[in-house]
Amino acid sequence: ETGVTQTPRHLVMGMTNKKSLKCEQHLGHNAMYWYKQSAKKPLELMFVYSLEERVENNSVPSRFSPECPNSSHLFLHLHTLQPEDSALYLCASSQDPSDSYEQYFGPGTRLTVT
Amino acid sequence: AQSVTQLGSHVSVSEGALVLLRCNYSSSVPPYLFWYVQYPNQGLQLLLKYTTGATLVKGINGFEAEFKKSETSFHLTKPSAHMSDAAEYFCAVSLSGGYNKLIFGAGTRLAVHP
Repeated sequence: ETGVTQTPRHLVMGMTNKKSLKCEQHLGHNAMYWYKQSAKKPLELMFVYSLEERVENNSVPSRFSPECPNSSHLFLHLHTLQPEDSALYLCASSQDPSDSYEQYFGPGTRLTVT
Repeated sequence: AQSVTQLGSHVSVSEGALVLLRCNYSSSVPPYLFWYVQYPNQGLQLLLKYTTGATLVKGINGFEAEFKKSETSFHLTKPSAHMSDAAEYFCAVSLSGGYNKLIFGAGTRLAVHP
């Protein structure tokens, strides 16, 4: 595997379910990110992790719970979601959390909440 | 607050024609600027970035962009469009001196017709 991978690629869940999204980066980077991409809205940064420490939480509802067990893996735990949470969830990584380093994106998980 | 405006949510060009995608930003500090491309069912891929130095930046696939501070613009151009350029393009800004928080524009969908 190379780059940034995400699983699953597609997920359908009910509002009472609990599921997790997984992201893995094979680039040796130190920072990882979760973004939400909704139709007709700009990409929204959700969380930033630097060396496994959360450094940014962009006013995300508590029904989204991130976890970064090591610098290569990032999870997004989901519970009691709402239909408006349906979106493409993108994971990204960068060499360093400072601002000049480009972010490398995974293919995303298309989430549908029914 | 920082923001990015992409003029035109849809742009259509003929194959071989000039591609011009517009991006304006607002920032109180010197920004770093990025263009990303997203092909269907894929994540975002970096086309080019401006941090410091030369204001004309060349990227992949024949694209380039020019940072114009006086106009707060970072327009993306390509002299001759190819069918494979059809995708969605995102302009983004991050702030120097802080964590790598990318603020994205709403995106411009480029269509290329024969």
